[in-house]
Amino acid sequence: SQQGEEDPQALSIQEGENATMNCSYKTSINNLQWYRQNSGRGLVHLILIRSNEREKHSGRLRVTLDTSKKSSSLLITASRAADTASYFCATVQISSGSARQLTFGSGTQLTVLP
Amino acid sequence: DGGITQSPKYLFRKEGQNVTLSCEQNLNHDAMYWYRQDPGQGLRLIYYSQIVNDFQKGDIAEGYSVSREKKESFPLTVTSAQKNPTAFYLCASSSTLTDRDGYTFGSGTRLTVV
Repeated sequence: SQQGEEDPQALSIQEGENATMNCSYKTSINNLQWYRQNSGRGLVHLILIRSNEREKHSGRLRVTLDTSKKSSSLLITASRAADTASYFCATVQISSGSARQLTFGSGTQLTVLP
Repeated sequence: DGGITQSPKYLFRKEGQNVTLSCEQNLNHDAMYWYRQDPGQGLRLIYYSQIVNDFQKGDIAEGYSVSREKKESFPLTVTSAQKNPTAFYLCASSSTLTDRDGYTFGSGTRLTVV
């Protein structure tokens, strides 16, 4: 079953602008992760934020987590054409124990125009 | 180079045939996973394994089978019982000791029924 839902489904911006993608989920989580997928390829892990963290940075990426609202956002600053890809949030539910199964959302397709 | 390898990249199946997708990793990860991705959709979990000779069903296991005879290998068989097998299949692995690095994905196998 789908745990996370990304918003918007598609986003188109100009190079140099910031891109913000949102993710909402339904049940209590252990952590939330963001992945990137280039067309026809596998997913690449970008960043993980734990349930007791509120914000995390990695290079041009900034992730926030609001467990009271069951939501997260991914901000990509100073976007580049090479950032064009689909971005997925994925959650590890507390009930999954040591299995650490990831449940993925449906993704946001980001297009960065040169 | 450590990584996860899926083969073949493209696979064509006739109606009524069983086909096997290969997944091999040299990351020394204990856990391995199979996901299915349909166009414009997120990933859905088929099967996962946390240890050799043990595996569990995911959300959409019907019509699929797996084995885990070696730590490095987790092949997926798409059987004739799977009525709509055309999809993009992704294999992933992860450490059971830490979730810091998330999942590592292969580059996928695109299966088409002809």
